[in-house]
Amino acid sequence: EDQVTQSPEALRLQEGESSSLNCSYTVSGLRGLFWYRQDPGKGPEFLFTLYSAGEEKEKERLKATLTKKESFLHITAPKPEDSATYLCAVQAHGGSQGNLIFGKGTKLSVKP
Amino acid sequence: ETGVTQSPTHLIKTRGQQVTLRCSSQSGHNTVSWYQQALGQGPQFIFQYYREEENGRGNFPPRFSGLQFPNYSSELNVNALELDDSALYLCASSRGLAGRDEQFFGPGTRLTVL
Repeated sequence: EDQVTQSPEALRLQEGESSSLNCSYTVSGLRGLFWYRQDPGKGPEFLFTLYSAGEEKEKERLKATLTKKESFLHITAPKPEDSATYLCAVQAHGGSQGNLIFGKGTKLSVKP
Repeated sequence: ETGVTQSPTHLIKTRGQQVTLRCSSQSGHNTVSWYQQALGQGPQFIFQYYREEENGRGNFPPRFSGLQFPNYSSELNVNALELDDSALYLCASSRGLAGRDEQFFGPGTRLTVL
């Protein structure tokens, strides 16, 4: 069964304290791995798509990496405005088109 | 460029009623997917519409149904509401069959079933 597990469930950081969020996945064949940011009561905001092991993408203080079993979202020198829930999702070969399988997310809090 | 919009923002219904949620896709997008997100959980795929046809469905009962219109907007209908249907309902649009295209989400409709 295709599955996504994110850890930790919650992460508290001081402003400027870098860290990483983990997304482990089990999928029959990976078409793509997606990272989203979600603020309370709002829809997910697209961050990155990764397609193959070894691929990396960056945006401001965020960097996403991908291996054959997991993805990391590295946050460098975070600011309070980075506080949100970060969702990881995979799309599998052979699955329903458009079916993103999401993890439960990591809730990040960054204190000034 | 107009993003994905959804209406209404909030909705309160009682068990057994029916509800219709609406979504307008992002400009240039012809594919719409619907997701249900319970509190503290990740979104779960309900179904996808491409060019007015259902193109994939998740593990949801038939009382969850949908439509897509020629302008690519979409509706999600839920009949015989149950308490467990209380959730944030998200609509996402993309350019094609979302094979490898990013899906862009709307703000969601918060449904409460009493």
